[in-house]
Amino acid sequence: TQLLEQSPQFLSIQEGENLTVYCNSSSVFSSLQWYRQEPGEGPVLLVTVVTGGEVKKLKRLTFQFGDARKDSSLHITAAQPGDTGLYLCAGASGNQFYFGTGTSLTVIP
Amino acid sequence: NAGVTQTPKFQVLKTGQSMTLQCAQDMNHEYMSWYRQDPGMGLRLIHYSVGAGITDQGEVPNGYNVSRSTTEDFPLRLLSAAPSQTSVYFCATHRHNEQFFGPGTRLTVL
Repeated sequence: TQLLEQSPQFLSIQEGENLTVYCNSSSVFSSLQWYRQEPGEGPVLLVTVVTGGEVKKLKRLTFQFGDARKDSSLHITAAQPGDTGLYLCAGASGNQFYFGTGTSLTVIP
Repeated sequence: NAGVTQTPKFQVLKTGQSMTLQCAQDMNHEYMSWYRQDPGMGLRLIHYSVGAGITDQGEVPNGYNVSRSTTEDFPLRLLSAAPSQTSVYFCATHRHNEQFFGPGTRLTVL
């Protein structure tokens, strides 16, 4: 089993603060995805990173794939209450996807 | 387009009962999969299919069966439900490094 560890598991911050969520593994993945999930709904894809060292920006969200394609980070600038949710990373290996344990983010107005 | 649909949304079973969770998609994606989500454990892959007539086991396949007779449908069967199968189940399709998830089925086994 390929295990993806996310940290922190829980994060509660004030509106306007910056934060970084980490996704680490001892395994190499062909690509890595980040999702956000809201209560009672399925995960929704935010971004896919494919190349080692790749950086993608999505408005206030910055995603980075590690050079060795084993880890990734998600940085949110000036967090807003609408960013509240469960953030999940998932690594692709062959035909299977392996999900991280998730980071539950709460942004307090 | 409806995307990925799942039925039922909620289900309560007694130990030993059987049931089928339905999943359908209208995106014409070949790859479909079933996950279960438990607190603190993220999503774990149960079974997946790369096309009609082809299925394979994921990380936690025991206690579950699947079949894929059409591109659109990918049902998940519990033959004899156990309390350990209490979970939220998600169906997903995949294409070009993107996965699209259904709304989930919350299953409780008493």
